[in-house]
Amino acid sequence: TQLLEQSPQFLSIQEGENLTVYCNSSSVFSSLQWYRQEPGEGPVLLVTVVTGGEVKKLKRLTFQFGDARKDSSLHITAAQPGDTGLYLCAGVGSSNTGKLIFGQGTTLQVKP
Amino acid sequence: KAGVTQTPRYLIKTRGQQVTLSCSPISGHRSVSWYQQTPGQGLQFLFEYFSETQRNKGNFPGRFSGRQFSNSRSEMNVSTLELGDSALYLCASSLGHVSVYEQYFGPGTRLTVT
Repeated sequence: TQLLEQSPQFLSIQEGENLTVYCNSSSVFSSLQWYRQEPGEGPVLLVTVVTGGEVKKLKRLTFQFGDARKDSSLHITAAQPGDTGLYLCAGVGSSNTGKLIFGQGTTLQVKP
Repeated sequence: KAGVTQTPRYLIKTRGQQVTLSCSPISGHRSVSWYQQTPGQGLQFLFEYFSETQRNKGNFPGRFSGRQFSNSRSEMNVSTLELGDSALYLCASSLGHVSVYEQYFGPGTRLTVT
């Protein structure tokens, strides 16, 4: 069974601080996605990383896929209150079952 | 373009009852997936339908079932409800395979079993 472990589970920081969220597995994924979910809404896709070692930037957010395609990280620079939410990583299994395997999520609170 | 819609948004049921949740995908999307989200287990995949056929299934008991209609709308049914079925049920639609196409999630149906 493929599993994704996210850390930390909770993060409470001040506006302007930097943070990193990790997503790790012992399994290889063909691609990995990062979502953000706000209360009362469904997750919204932020980015998909496909190639080992790939780095993608989305404004102040930097996403990296591990060389072995078993792990990923999300780094936020100068966090703002608008970044508050639940961040989820999700992997598409290399066995190509077509289903997404989600990590437990990281709840981020950015205080003004 | 309208997003994914789910009805109802909130539902309260009693143990032993059954429930049907509905999902209308984005126009043109033929793939619909269902997920269960709980604080303890996170987001777990239930099943995926594509062109009225179940293409993938997660590790849930047979009490959880679904179907997709010719217009791509989907329903999921949970029979003999248990307290542990209380969760946010999310539906997501996409043009095709999740490894290629982005999934768009609906706002979810919050089910409470008492």
